[in-house]
Amino acid sequence: QSALTQPASVSGSPGQSITISCTGTSSDVGGYNYVSWYQHHPGKAPKLLIYDVSHRPSGISNRFSGSKSANTASLTISGLQAGDEADYFCSSYANTSTIIVFGGGTKLTVL
Amino acid sequence: QLQLVQSGAEVKKPGASVKVSCKASGYTFTTYYIHWVRQAPGQGPDWMGIINPSGGNTVYAPKFQGRIIMTRDTSTSTVYMELSRLRSDDTAFYYCARDRGVYYDLWGQGTLVTVSS
Repeated sequence: QSALTQPASVSGSPGQSITISCTGTSSDVGGYNYVSWYQHHPGKAPKLLIYDVSHRPSGISNRFSGSKSANTASLTISGLQAGDEADYFCSSYANTSTIIVFGGGTKLTVL
Repeated sequence: QLQLVQSGAEVKKPGASVKVSCKASGYTFTTYYIHWVRQAPGQGPDWMGIINPSGGNTVYAPKFQGRIIMTRDTSTSTVYMELSRLRSDDTAFYYCARDRGVYYDLWGQGTLVTVSS
């Protein structure tokens, strides 16, 4: 059971937009602006997409955006492409003995 | 080249120990903390702990306390994660990741550890 809750799967057609949610508590997502998002193609290293809720690292497309409201963070992918098909997981700093908590991951299918 | 390269897959019997390595290159090894994260099949990632490559100090997640040891070798820019008293539910991909505060900007390719009798 992951500390942060994500939908198991989402899907969309090429060109469409999708949003993946990541729900935690006031001890993690809601308490700090330290949510990050990662893209993970099986067999490869995870890739940082978003950090500190809404910041994109250099080289990440502006099709990826992040936001947060209360205890729920969101990742939006616009202009879906076939290459976006992957697993996506969120993480957050947590004010607990487990310093970093993760979501269970969401499988994105591009139809 | 900026990268973290991990050791290869391991198969272990229950009760055994495994030691996974993570070699850093392309940056100053002692500048950034390294975390270890594992992901079991069909599950989300699980934070295991953190090591400061400069001083060697560590913090472990409570669920692994007593079974995990993280070390580093500054001469080879390598960190190690050793997990003992392995169980079948320790079967997972194990990743090292470079810390940039509260997020990871660089990950290793992952090491599959299979625990099976």
